[in-house]
Amino acid sequence: GQSLEQPSEVTAVEGAIVQINCTYQTSGFYGLSWYQQHDGGAPTFLSYNALDGLEETGRFSSFLSRSDSYGYLLLQELQMKDSASYFCAVLPGAAGNKLTFGGGTRVLVKP
Amino acid sequence: KAGVTQTPRYLIKTRGQQVTLSCSPISGHRSVSWYQQTPGQGLQFLFEYFSETQRNKGNFPGRFSGRQFSNSRSEMNVSTLELGDSALYLCASSPPPQSGRGSYNEQFFGPGTRLTVL
Repeated sequence: GQSLEQPSEVTAVEGAIVQINCTYQTSGFYGLSWYQQHDGGAPTFLSYNALDGLEETGRFSSFLSRSDSYGYLLLQELQMKDSASYFCAVLPGAAGNKLTFGGGTRVLVKP
Repeated sequence: KAGVTQTPRYLIKTRGQQVTLSCSPISGHRSVSWYQQTPGQGLQFLFEYFSETQRNKGNFPGRFSGRQFSNSRSEMNVSTLELGDSALYLCASSPPPQSGRGSYNEQFFGPGTRLTVL
């Protein structure tokens, strides 16, 4: 089976940097994704790591270490609109799109 | 391109009834996945359809079923509704995989159907 652990909540101020960690245990692993979900909204794709290392997309970066079964999402220059829940997700197998999600981290950005 | 659409957006049913939810994927996407989201259990995978065939299945009872049509539109059905089935049901479609980046892992979610079972 698969399980992913993330902190439940993080609070930070505008302009700060937040790192959301995700540790996983999975019997199969094809890549680690991150999704953002605002209250009342649908999850939207942020980033994907198939290989170890850092992927940068604007203010957001994601990191993966397969040897440590660990990844993180880095949110830089926080803005109020970044207040949302962030989910890590793994694709356990090569076939299909059966994503297994972590419990989500609620990020609250304060002025 | 239009996004993923789901109908209805809100639904209220009573225990024992059945419900059918509909999802229209982004044009050109052949993979459609369904997820259940609740405060207690989070986002849980229900099943995935690809070219009218169920390709993956989550750990839900047989009361939960789905299908996909030749135009890639998908429906999911829940029979004999229970109070615990109250949830946001999300549908997601995925584009064909591309080499290198692995875009197969990028799923585009619809706004969801909020089901309340009384």
